[in-house]
Amino acid sequence: DGGITQSPKYLFRKEGQNVTLSCEQNLNHDAMYWYRQDPGQGLRLIYYSQIVNDFQKGDIAEGYSVSREKKESFPLTVTSAQKNPTAFYLCASTPRRGFTGGPFADSPLHFGNGTRLTVT
Amino acid sequence: GENVEQHPSTLSVQEGDSAVIKCTYSDSASNYFPWYKQELGKRPQLIIDIRSNVGEKKDQRIAVTLNKTAKHFSLHITETQPEDSAVYFCAARVNDYKLSFGAGTTVTVRA
Repeated sequence: DGGITQSPKYLFRKEGQNVTLSCEQNLNHDAMYWYRQDPGQGLRLIYYSQIVNDFQKGDIAEGYSVSREKKESFPLTVTSAQKNPTAFYLCASTPRRGFTGGPFADSPLHFGNGTRLTVT
Repeated sequence: GENVEQHPSTLSVQEGDSAVIKCTYSDSASNYFPWYKQELGKRPQLIIDIRSNVGEKKDQRIAVTLNKTAKHFSLHITETQPEDSAVYFCAARVNDYKLSFGAGTTVTVRA
């Protein structure tokens, strides 16, 4: 349910390898987000995208990259430059509010089920 | 930037009792404050939100209060039930696209 699919659920990689996490939504939402969840640190924003072919850095973008070539898709690449990549990653999306738009951040975030990445 | 602090980090309550989680924020320009619930192994979901032009909002057993002067807001759960056991996150809107989240509170309801 929810219309956001993240895959895979669990991912294991060796240190030094890049890895791409998939996020697909069929909700026709304009904005998409990537969050990282660590114990005791809440949800921290990595990247977000308001529209196709545009994206912005969040609070912890270093070592990550994204693309938004299609409205439905917002893949996240964890590069070897990310010093502590082991974490739980959540993708989310929000619609535009009302006919005149308005802040995306006032709309409920629809989250995917997450990908747990372990790098050894 | 916006800094949201959330307390307590863990909360254990007897079934039927009330639970209160408190959050403070730093940016007086923040005007939207949602609360998300994340059950074990599941995705976070919005349970209630409040805007700065409202002091209190209720939805059945949950309520949120906002004190703009003191820059804090709280989640109140009454008559707690086992299904209320989860991690709860507060958040504050930073700009049009971004929320700043608290660190989360793990609530355990004892039968």
